[in-house]
Amino acid sequence: KNEVEQSPQNLTAQEGEFITINCSYSVGISALHWLQQHPGGGIVSLFMLSSGKKKHGRLIATINIQEKHSSLHITASHPRDSAVYICAVLRYNFNKFYFGSGTKLNVKP
Amino acid sequence: NAGVTQTPKFQVLKTGQSMTLQCAQDMNHNSMYWYRQDPGMGLRLIYYSASEGTTDKGEVPNGYNVSRLNKREFSLRLESAAPSQTSVYFCASSESDRVYGYTFGSGTRLTVV
Repeated sequence: KNEVEQSPQNLTAQEGEFITINCSYSVGISALHWLQQHPGGGIVSLFMLSSGKKKHGRLIATINIQEKHSSLHITASHPRDSAVYICAVLRYNFNKFYFGSGTKLNVKP
Repeated sequence: NAGVTQTPKFQVLKTGQSMTLQCAQDMNHNSMYWYRQDPGMGLRLIYYSASEGTTDKGEVPNGYNVSRLNKREFSLRLESAAPSQTSVYFCASSESDRVYGYTFGSGTRLTVV
């Protein structure tokens, strides 16, 4: 049983579309981490959240602690956004993250 | 450039061979981690080190050993490689998990034949 579930697993969008990637978790957490993994394999940190909402450029991340759910939104998507987006949670009293299996996004021109 | 450096980037081993994956960070982070990534699965923790001189097992430690040589370096050793250890390995470091999350290395693609 995976404590972190992401949906969808795969997502294809047309350039310009608004994209939502979801992350649900089943354990108590102190923080949630969204990461991006490019086709070349490198992993980059996007957001760390413990409540509310964060925005950086065209990316918006939200978290609802009561519902144990987080979303990552991409506005005006672009082919360079094509990547795997990974959600990870930091469980209470644990000093390490647990990772979802990722959402593979393909944005077509 | 500041960050996490992993070597090598690619490696092919024969079953039974040994090797060490090297990881170094220059951000003065206390915590360092080794993960493996397999198709269709999330990153799984092999070992971690919360501070210099300490190491702990993660979810999938069997077949691996680690050394936290100093605050900068955290190495992962495969004593007798098996095909099941074919994977992409990532090293990561963190100053404060809750605030900053992880900084990842670029990964090592290991194939055991």
